[in-house]
Amino acid sequence: KAGVTQTPRYLIKTRGQQVTLSCSPISGHRSVSWYQQTPGQGLQFLFEYFSETQRNKGNFPGRFSGRQFSNSRSEMNVSTLELGDSALYLCASSAQRAMDGYTFGSGTRLTVV
Amino acid sequence: AQSVTQPDIHITVSEGASLELRCNYSYGATPYLFWYVQSPGQGLQLLLKYFSGDTLVQGIKGFEAEFKRSQSSFNLRKPSVHWSDAAEYFCAVGGFGNEKLTFGTGTRLTIIP
Repeated sequence: KAGVTQTPRYLIKTRGQQVTLSCSPISGHRSVSWYQQTPGQGLQFLFEYFSETQRNKGNFPGRFSGRQFSNSRSEMNVSTLELGDSALYLCASSAQRAMDGYTFGSGTRLTVV
Repeated sequence: AQSVTQPDIHITVSEGASLELRCNYSYGATPYLFWYVQSPGQGLQLLLKYFSGDTLVQGIKGFEAEFKRSQSSFNLRKPSVHWSDAAEYFCAVGGFGNEKLTFGTGTRLTIIP
């Protein structure tokens, strides 16, 4: 079966712009989580969605937001981009809960210039 | 608060030799523990997970991990490494109802001929 699909794979944006990243989970998976990965901070939890509801949120500023659609696809949005937002953004899906074990996508590499 | 410590940033092992990657965790309740592997430019792949039962857990690709509650450890082992095992390995902890994982900073594994 198809894996977790993240689009686009690469993005270059300018400071102050906004960006939307997309994630399609494995068919049948209803939980979608987002992580930011950087060399300095490692993997940091952004948020988790289940049945279109945010169940948990990490310690990121309000510029970072997300949503989930009725087909379980998810998007995350970052507004007013800063240089420090440059990172690999990883989406992970699981059947019901994070503790089921994630399947990760290959990520979106965002570069802010 | 939950946390994971992976004390070894980088490990080099000869092909065919045994491997042990260390992981110590802190979690206030019964933990779920995971090991993930990440190849360059890719997302993370689940190797194995533990919640309860037998403290020695078998995973994919010939990996196993042992849960030791008294030492708050969940070390990953492989009896004989292959060149294809070169990657970064992440230990993670979470809990029921938490819907997020906290990852360690990772251990980069290099395999030499």
